[in-house]
Amino acid sequence: QVQLVESGGGVVQPGRSLRLSCAASGFTFSRYGMHWVRQAPGKGLEWVAVIWYDGSNQYYTDSVKGRFTISRENSKNTLYLQMNSLRAEDTAVYYCARVSLAEPTEDVWGKGTTVTVSS
Amino acid sequence: DIQMTQSPSTLSASVGDRVTITCRASQSISSRLAWFQQKPGKAPKLLIYKASSLESGVPSRFSGSGSGTEFTLTISSLQPDDFASYYCQQYNRYPRSFGQGTKVEIK
Repeated sequence: QVQLVESGGGVVQPGRSLRLSCAASGFTFSRYGMHWVRQAPGKGLEWVAVIWYDGSNQYYTDSVKGRFTISRENSKNTLYLQMNSLRAEDTAVYYCARVSLAEPTEDVWGKGTTVTVSS
Repeated sequence: DIQMTQSPSTLSASVGDRVTITCRASQSISSRLAWFQQKPGKAPKLLIYKASSLESGVPSRFSGSGSGTEFTLTISSLQPDDFASYYCQQYNRYPRSFGQGTKVEIK
């Protein structure tokens, strides 16, 4: 079945780095754009980043530009989010999500991985 | 960037009630609007895309309408499984943006 599984979350000190991974299965990963979306504790959803199906384009929300990098390895069916210079306000559950081919919104979501930035 | 404003933030309703949630965009997004349902501790689930198209497997009691800047999500007869938070999202352009969410609570 179609599945996305995030990993790599944890507790990290401010200013440090973390890399999240998202393993895709059950569909042709290389055909789909992918998003990262996050949710701070008790808050709403915040879109973070997108990468085109072939990795040719990426966009980011302003608050992570220059600190986060989205990438993918289509040969490994895996999406990444490299997070540098982490701040307390980056604390959230991070979801990877597939961009539908029909309409460019998220039609499949992972269960999320939790990132806590704290000293 | 496009701002999305949802109302109300919280809604108290009973099983069987008709429920309407409103979403407004700060500029026209045509029909490029989606609605998501999220239950505590779970990932969001796509309910509606293109403002009014029902995602496969979503019950027909859910419906969406609107275009331009004004949109609504309606649940025709609220069921116990529908008590959750709901988010609108514009996908007309990047950066994507979500409304702040509406929590549907048991009255």
